[in-house]
Amino acid sequence: IAGITQAPTSQILAAGRRMTLRCTQDMRHNAMYWYRQDLGLGLRLIHYSNTAGTTGKGEVPDGYSVSRANTDDFPLTLASAVPSQTSVYFCASSDSAAGGPGSDTQYFGPGTRLTVL
Amino acid sequence: GQNIDQPTEMTATEGAIVQINCTYQTSGFNGLFWYQQHAGEAPTFLSYNVLDGLEEKGRFSSFLSRSKGYSYLLLKELQMKDSASYLCAVMDSNYQLIWGAGTKLIIKP
Repeated sequence: IAGITQAPTSQILAAGRRMTLRCTQDMRHNAMYWYRQDLGLGLRLIHYSNTAGTTGKGEVPDGYSVSRANTDDFPLTLASAVPSQTSVYFCASSDSAAGGPGSDTQYFGPGTRLTVL
Repeated sequence: GQNIDQPTEMTATEGAIVQINCTYQTSGFNGLFWYQQHAGEAPTFLSYNVLDGLEEKGRFSSFLSRSKGYSYLLLKELQMKDSASYLCAVMDSNYQLIWGAGTKLIIKP
């Protein structure tokens, strides 16, 4: 593989269920991000990780958790899904440790379309 | 608060030129990015500006004026495949990207 992969591609979930969205990158990027994208709104950052072993909260972290056990994987968990979490979820990564202009350019996975009923 | 403004939708003709504007108000500035997003797909990187002026990449150019909090993306010789949403994003003082809602560009034959 090359780049970022996400799984599943799409999912319909009953409210109250637990769900983990998977994200794997093979570019050895140090930083990874989870966004949600809703119609009419810009991408909103949920959680991020600047390096393996560390995570941080973004703009809309409530109801979501993440972990970063290694460089490649950055799963996003919804502990108890609610209908307002219906959205398209994008994982992204960047090689910000490289330094220099544009090193923070983020590269995106194909997305997961999640519907919570 | 932090804010990125860009038009919701624009229409242009195949072969023509279109300019998509973006204005921003953010806590600090560490660069401005433009991404292209086709319907149902992921955003893909187009350009990065951190200094004032014009950056040209083939048919696409991006301009930045930091003093005015303003950028534009210029697309020349429009092709049907350029129909997409164009996202403007600014990296703030915390090195987090603040995203605009995107401009949907419709190309007509």
